[in-house]
Amino acid sequence: GESVGLHLPTLSVQEGDNSIINCAYSNSASDYFIWYKQESGKGPQFIIDIRSNMDKRQGQRVTVLLNKTVKHLSLQIAATQPGDSAVYFCAVSSAGGTSYGKLTFGQGTILTVHP
Amino acid sequence: DADVTQTPRNRITKTGKRIMLECSQTKGHDRMYWYRQDPGLGLRLIYYSFDVKDINKGEISDGYSVSRQAQAKFSLSLESAIPNQTALYFCATSDAYRVGSDTQYFGPGTRLTVL
Repeated sequence: GESVGLHLPTLSVQEGDNSIINCAYSNSASDYFIWYKQESGKGPQFIIDIRSNMDKRQGQRVTVLLNKTVKHLSLQIAATQPGDSAVYFCAVSSAGGTSYGKLTFGQGTILTVHP
Repeated sequence: DADVTQTPRNRITKTGKRIMLECSQTKGHDRMYWYRQDPGLGLRLIYYSFDVKDINKGEISDGYSVSRQAQAKFSLSLESAIPNQTALYFCATSDAYRVGSDTQYFGPGTRLTVL
């Protein structure tokens, strides 16, 4: 089955710094990877995704890097702002087998941005 | 995401009571999901439905049941609530017909407390 883990449960940074949140996954058949942001009292919000045929994808101030060799995923947030403070989840799925159409979530990393 | 709504937003109930949580979506998506979130844990899948006639158990379905009344509505029931079902519950949707996307969109959540 799929298991998804995070290297650090909490991350504290200063405003303006770059943040890196890491995620490891176990299933080599995983082919879709997504990052969500969850603010207090809200549901998870989509940030950025990437498919296994890519190793990097950029959005607005965010970049996702995928290393399929070591089954590792990271989210980079540039010039972190206080509004970025939230819990960040990675999730993975695969096109076939019992994971079809489903996401497996990691436990989450709490990002705190200090002014 | 305002396109996915959940009712009620908060509910306090007693052990043994039957509870129904409702989810509605205006995104026109075929797939709907129910998740549970506990402190310090990621989201765990309870049930999912790929269309109106399709219902599938997730990893933690015991003690729960669901009903897909229409494409836009997916309800979760706790037949006899117990205290360890105290958690945040999220509904999510995804578009089966958007090629290459397994992105799920989440509602605001229901905070359920079972005394």
